[in-house]
Amino acid sequence: DAKTTQPTSMDCAEGRAANLPCNHSTISGNEYVYWYRQIHSQGPQYIIHGLKNNETNEMASLIITEDRKSSTLILPHATLRDTAVYYCIVRVAGTGANSKLTFGKGITLSVRP
Amino acid sequence: GAGVSQSPSNKVTEKGKDVELRCDPISGHTALYWYRQSLGQGLEFLIYFQGNSAPDKSGLPSDRFSAERTGGSVSTLTIQRTQQEDSAVYLCASSSRQGAGANVLTFGAGSRLTVL
Repeated sequence: DAKTTQPTSMDCAEGRAANLPCNHSTISGNEYVYWYRQIHSQGPQYIIHGLKNNETNEMASLIITEDRKSSTLILPHATLRDTAVYYCIVRVAGTGANSKLTFGKGITLSVRP
Repeated sequence: GAGVSQSPSNKVTEKGKDVELRCDPISGHTALYWYRQSLGQGLEFLIYFQGNSAPDKSGLPSDRFSAERTGGSVSTLTIQRTQQEDSAVYLCASSSRQGAGANVLTFGAGSRLTVL
């Protein structure tokens, strides 16, 4: 799996957009970008994934650069409940995914009132 | 069921006792993972089951840890002769084997183990 690099932490004001960056400069053509988050005292929660096109769902938007070497997870209107550790993971889909999925250190997002 | 179910939610045991933790994955999910998370630490991979393939046990910390998955569904993680350093939240997750969805894991709420 391609390695990802995330800042250790960031904060944003409640109601503002939170833009969480992730670098994956060694990503290969068949690897997807996945985002998870873990709110304190809960299990991790899947957020979104994409291959090369930007993706949006009810939780967030995922913007992937044209060269696919980096991506940004956007929480459009952050709330206090979005305070969590966010993990960016790059993985091959399908048969290539028949192996353990590991989580790095992630980025701690703190949403302030 | 609708989600991944884990039991017990909390377990307090004495050092040296054996414990069993159970995971009921989402119906139809062929992949099942166990992780553990010690207080203030990251997620530590333990073991991975995929269909009828041999499990990936590379994350099990010692031979006191074992896991099985019966009938391709329910999984049990067993810790023998528990030690205080085994205290952690044990998380189970499952996923389907469908393309990109193979990496979309649904986690249970976890089993918090405290070894006195």
